[in-house]
Amino acid sequence: AQSVSQHNHHVILSEAASLELGCNYSYGGTVNLFWYVQYPGQHLQLLLKYFSGDPLVKGIKGFEAEFIKSKFSFNLRKPSVQWSDTAEYFCAVNAQGSSASKIIFGSGTRLSIRP
Amino acid sequence: DAGVTQSPTHLIKTRGQQVTLRCSPKSGHDTVSWYQQALGQGPQFIFQYYEEEERQRGNFPDRFSGHQYPNYSSELNVNALLLGDSALYLCASSLLGQITDEKLFFGSGTQLSVL
Repeated sequence: AQSVSQHNHHVILSEAASLELGCNYSYGGTVNLFWYVQYPGQHLQLLLKYFSGDPLVKGIKGFEAEFIKSKFSFNLRKPSVQWSDTAEYFCAVNAQGSSASKIIFGSGTRLSIRP
Repeated sequence: DAGVTQSPTHLIKTRGQQVTLRCSPKSGHDTVSWYQQALGQGPQFIFQYYEEEERQRGNFPDRFSGHQYPNYSSELNVNALLLGDSALYLCASSLLGQITDEKLFFGSGTQLSVL
């Protein structure tokens, strides 16, 4: 069965610090990988996705993620965080070829940025 | 351009009762999916509706059922409510075309409390 593990439940950083949120998945086949973000009071929205090709994926607002197949990982990074990055971040996976709707989410990482 | 709208925003029911939640997809979208998000967890896929039929289903019992209307709006019905059904129920819509282009848009959710 597919599963997604997010190592950190709550991360607290100061502005301008670098960010890396861990994500590992378990699945026996080829996968698509996603990061979703939920800003306070807003809807869940797609930050970035990986389907194939370059394992380094760039998303909105300066975020990027690297797919490392040998480690079953898809960690999210940002070189310098801003206060506005305070949000809940969810890693997600689904089987390649399936609809983006049927995805398995991790339990989320809450990111708090100190101004 | 309206995004995904869900109603009601909050709902309180007692064990054994039945509940219906409603979702209107983003304009131009033809597919609606439902998710359950328990406190402190990521969303869990319940099912997806396309062309008025359930196309995919997650690991949820038959007490969870749905419907999609010709205008693409959708309902989620839960029978014989249990305390464990208390959660935020999210609706997401998409346009089921090229899978690599498919993008989910989420609503704000309905918070269901079962007493």
